[in-house]
Amino acid sequence: AQKVTQAQTEISVVEKEDVTLDCVYETRDTTYYLFWYKQPPSGELVFLIRRNSFDEQNEISGRYSWNFQKSTSSFNFTITASQVVDSAVYFCALGDNAGNMLTFGGGTRLMVKP
Amino acid sequence: DGGITQSPKYLFRKEGQNVTLSCEQNLNHDAMYWYRQDPGQGLRLIYYSQIVNDFQKGDIAEGYSVSREKKESFPLTVTSAQKNPTAFYLCASSISLLGTGGYGYTFGSGTRLTVV
Repeated sequence: AQKVTQAQTEISVVEKEDVTLDCVYETRDTTYYLFWYKQPPSGELVFLIRRNSFDEQNEISGRYSWNFQKSTSSFNFTITASQVVDSAVYFCALGDNAGNMLTFGGGTRLMVKP
Repeated sequence: DGGITQSPKYLFRKEGQNVTLSCEQNLNHDAMYWYRQDPGQGLRLIYYSQIVNDFQKGDIAEGYSVSREKKESFPLTVTSAQKNPTAFYLCASSISLLGTGGYGYTFGSGTRLTVV
């Protein structure tokens, strides 16, 4: 069975601090997909990134970066120089080898204070 | 622009009433999903549908019903049998449950249901 664990239920930082959101997954598939979604206070989940199991390159997009490590089954998300607009709930998700049935983690609520 | 539309945004239900939440997508996606989210909690799968006229129960289907008569539409009915329906409901779609590519889900903006 697939499982995604986001051990940090809530994180609070002050603006401009760097923050890392942890995601640990379990799967028996050799081909799988990992995702991060952002849920701002408005409620809609917004797609941030997708990673397949064969691509372990880290990715950077502006202030966002992702560290995928198969050896530790982790797909961590770092926000550099956090801003108040980053305040949201962030979900990590794992897809099966067809890539379309997702298992979600419990989410991490990030609060960035001015 | 393609996307998923959920309506209404806010819904109030009296005890004992059935209510239907609308979900429409124009992405030509085959698969659609309903999730429930309680305050401070994660997402729990209610129902999903891979194809028209077919749907499967998720983890918390009791007290809910769905239909999939059209590819674009996947309405969710919260019945009076659902004892604690106050929650945030999210609809999502994906290209195909049995497809390839790992494209993930597109989500609607949600419906907040409150029992009064």
